[in-house]
Amino acid sequence: QKEVEQNSGPLSVPEGAIASLNCTYSDRVSQSFFWYRQYSGKSPELIMSIYSNGDKEDGRFTAQLNKASQYVSLLIRDSQPSDSATYLCAVNNRDDKIIFGKGTRLHILP
Amino acid sequence: KAGVTQTPRYLIKTRGQQVTLSCSPISGHRSVSWYQQTPGQGLQFLFEYFSETQRNKGNFPGRFSGRQFSNSRSEMNVSTLELGDSALYLCASSSAGTLYSYEQYFGPGTRLTVT
Repeated sequence: QKEVEQNSGPLSVPEGAIASLNCTYSDRVSQSFFWYRQYSGKSPELIMSIYSNGDKEDGRFTAQLNKASQYVSLLIRDSQPSDSATYLCAVNNRDDKIIFGKGTRLHILP
Repeated sequence: KAGVTQTPRYLIKTRGQQVTLSCSPISGHRSVSWYQQTPGQGLQFLFEYFSETQRNKGNFPGRFSGRQFSNSRSEMNVSTLELGDSALYLCASSSAGTLYSYEQYFGPGTRLTVT
């Protein structure tokens, strides 16, 4: 089992709709969870971090964490064409390393 | 605050050569991590330095090495380059020692092409 798994996509979402990105992780002791956005040809940019079960909202972004089920998700409300990018989920493991998923490509349809 | 800087941005080397990449973290950040990103493997952790000491290491051969200086700037070195080392090398800094110490901020990366 991979440490951090994401659907590679592409995930196509109409402009103005909610985009839902999911991530599962294997290490039960993980405590820190992150979402990064990476535009083509650019480096990853941190958009959300979450450390406790439940939801965390920041503008149009909401991160959701469920440690019992070992998944973390990112919701993007009112999706815009500028949200088209690859979204990387990252989790710390028991060795204190940050492990990245391979990312989900999101395409917002105008 | 200025962001993470990396030099050079692009590099072309031939097999067998060695290369040194440089990273300057965000001011006040003491932890620097290095990643290799390729289309097939995604982002893979190389190593992390904190206060001039390697604190963590990924599963890369010994040809990949790094160091950190007293001002937190870091360098990574790849010796005896192979074609498969062609990748985007990313440096990330974090504050370390706090609740949010795992929040990493990436530099623009160095695109290495090995021919």
